[in-house]
Amino acid sequence: AQSVTQLGSHVSVSEGALVLLRCNYSSSVPPYLFWYVQYPNQGLQLLLKYTSAATLVKGINGFEAEFKKSETSFHLTKPSAHMSDAAEYFCAVENYGGSQGNLIFGKGTKLSVKP
Amino acid sequence: ETGVTQSPTHLIKTRGQQVTLRCSSQSGHNTVSWYQQALGQGPQFIFQYYREEENGRGNFPPRFSGLQFPNYSSELNVNALELDDSALYLCASSPGSLYGYTFGSGTRLTVV
Repeated sequence: AQSVTQLGSHVSVSEGALVLLRCNYSSSVPPYLFWYVQYPNQGLQLLLKYTSAATLVKGINGFEAEFKKSETSFHLTKPSAHMSDAAEYFCAVENYGGSQGNLIFGKGTKLSVKP
Repeated sequence: ETGVTQSPTHLIKTRGQQVTLRCSSQSGHNTVSWYQQALGQGPQFIFQYYREEENGRGNFPPRFSGLQFPNYSSELNVNALELDDSALYLCASSPGSLYGYTFGSGTRLTVV
């Protein structure tokens, strides 16, 4: 069965600093992995997805993530944080044990950006 | 492309009542999934429909049921509401998993 662990429920960075949000997955098969962002009182917006093509995936708003099979990780990074990046971020893996569309989410990491 | 639209945005119900939440997906999105997101938690998979048939279900009791219609709309029905059903309910649709899933803004359900 697939699972996702997000390390750190809260991360705080200064504006302009590097953003690093950690995600480790567990999967017995090559996974499809996703990062979503959720702003207050809104739904989830897809930032980027890994579907077994390039291991470095570029997403929207300057975010990227690197799939590392040896470390079972899919950490999300952004070189320079902006105030508008403050939100909650969810890592997810697609569940092959179920059916298409079944995403298993981590518990989320709330990102705060200080001026 | 109109995205995924959910209605209503907020809802207050009394314990024991029944509720229907609605979702309108994009044309061509044959797969729709519903998720429950409790406060401070990640979304939890409820069930999925593909071409109007349920083809996947998470760890939710039978009082959670759904329907998908040919016009790409869908419903989530919850009977005998419990206080713990208070959550944000999210609908997500996709034309295929390689494309990712488009989420609606959700319905905030409060059970009192």
